[in-house]
Amino acid sequence: AQKITQTQPGMFVQEKEAVTLDCTYDTSDPSYGLFWYKQPSSGEMIFLIYQGSYDQQNATEGRYSLNFQKARKSANLVISASQLGDSAMYFCAMGYGGATNKLIFGTGTLLAVQP
Amino acid sequence: GAGVSQSPSNKVTEKGKDVELRCDPISGHTALYWYRQRLGQGLEFLIYFQGNSAPDKSGLPSDRFSAERTGESVSTLTIQRTQQEDSAVYLCASSLGPFGQGGIDGYTFGSGTRLTVV
Repeated sequence: AQKITQTQPGMFVQEKEAVTLDCTYDTSDPSYGLFWYKQPSSGEMIFLIYQGSYDQQNATEGRYSLNFQKARKSANLVISASQLGDSAMYFCAMGYGGATNKLIFGTGTLLAVQP
Repeated sequence: GAGVSQSPSNKVTEKGKDVELRCDPISGHTALYWYRQRLGQGLEFLIYFQGNSAPDKSGLPSDRFSAERTGESVSTLTIQRTQQEDSAVYLCASSLGPFGQGGIDGYTFGSGTRLTVV
C-alpha cells in the first residue's frame, strides 16, 4: 500500500540557516510523483516543489530543493536561507497515475524559524 | 476564476443537519478532488472527479457523504445527518487532468471550508 511518512512533528531553525525536512514513501508503482506543500496558519495549501519518479535530476525551485533518493525511497525537502515567513506546516505527498489520481499525504512537520 | 474557490469559508451546523459545500475549480481543469483535514492532521483523500465522473470514491467515510460535479465545473460535497466527528476543514483541489496528461501542472488547492458540528 502507498504510504508517506514524516517522522519530524516539529523542527526549529535559525533565520538564514538551511533546514531539511524528512519524507519517506512506500509504493510498488514505478510511476509516481512527490510533492511538497506549505500550509501557513491561514490554512491554504501552497505548492512548493514536485519530483517525478523518472526525473534524473533533483528538483529545485528558488530556495527549495528536493533531495530525491529513489533507492532509499526518500524525498527530503531542503529550504536554504530560512526566513521568518517560512514558519508553517509542511506536508509531503505522493501521487500516482492509473485509475486513481489522489495524493497521499504525510502527517506534516511544523517548522518554526527563529530570529 | 484565477484560483479554486470554495464556499462557504466557515460553516457551523447542528448535529443531525445536512450541509452542502461548494467548490469552483480553475476554469479548464478537468480533474477535481475533495480532501478532509482534521485538526492537527494531514489531508485525507475523499473523492476524485475526472470530468463529471468519479472514478475514485474510496475515501468517502460513510454513506452520509456524497458528491457530484456538473458541467465539468462546480462540485458539491454533501454531508447528511452531520456528526461531531465530521468537524474538519474540507479542501477542494483541481488540476488540468490525470497524472501523465499534464495533471501535475496546476494541482491547486482552494482555501477550504471549515465545518464545525455542534
